[in-house]
Amino acid sequence: QKEVEQDPGPLSVPEGAIVSLNCTYSNSAFQYFMWYRQYSRKGPELLMYTYSSGNKEDGRFTAQVDKSSKYISLFIRDSQPSDSATYLCAFTSGFQKLVFGTGTRLLVSP
Amino acid sequence: GAGVSQSPSNKVTEKGKDVELRCDPISGHTALYWYRQSLGQGLEFLIYFQGNSAPDKSGLPSDRFSAERTGGSVSTLTIQRTQQEDSAVYLCASSPGHPTPVMNTEAFFGQGTRLTVV
Repeated sequence: QKEVEQDPGPLSVPEGAIVSLNCTYSNSAFQYFMWYRQYSRKGPELLMYTYSSGNKEDGRFTAQVDKSSKYISLFIRDSQPSDSATYLCAFTSGFQKLVFGTGTRLLVSP
Repeated sequence: GAGVSQSPSNKVTEKGKDVELRCDPISGHTALYWYRQSLGQGLEFLIYFQGNSAPDKSGLPSDRFSAERTGGSVSTLTIQRTQQEDSAVYLCASSPGHPTPVMNTEAFFGQGTRLTVV
């Protein structure tokens, strides 16, 4: 079993749609749950992180963590063409390496 | 510098040659990571340095790969006897790393070195 599973997509949606991106993981030691965004030919950038379970909102973005199910989600409201990118989930237990998912490619059409 | 700097940005090498990839992290960051990303693939972990602790080398795919970090700053990733399957973008990242674990969650990535083995 892979440590992190993430659907590679691509996921195509029209502008204004609500987008749901998900990852599952197997390592119970993970305590920090992150979403990175990567534009073509650029390095990934941190969007937001969550510690332990619960929800976190930042503008149009909401991150959810369900530790009991080992499942995390990122919701994007009112999606924009500029949101078109690859979204990678990432995990760490603390002072350890960051483990990334394979990334989901999102395409938002005008 | 303002961000993580990697050099060279592109490298074409012949199969069997050795290559060295350089990473200059953000000043003061104690954590440094190397990942590689093949076309359309996710980030494959290679190695992680955290302060003066022994590096986590668990992701290095073979003994042809090695990395060092001198003086807690600049890092060099060396690939010996390159093979075609080594072709990928090699990404370096750094993070503050301390004093709390949350400081490890935001990794700042460089633009990467695109390695092509012909």
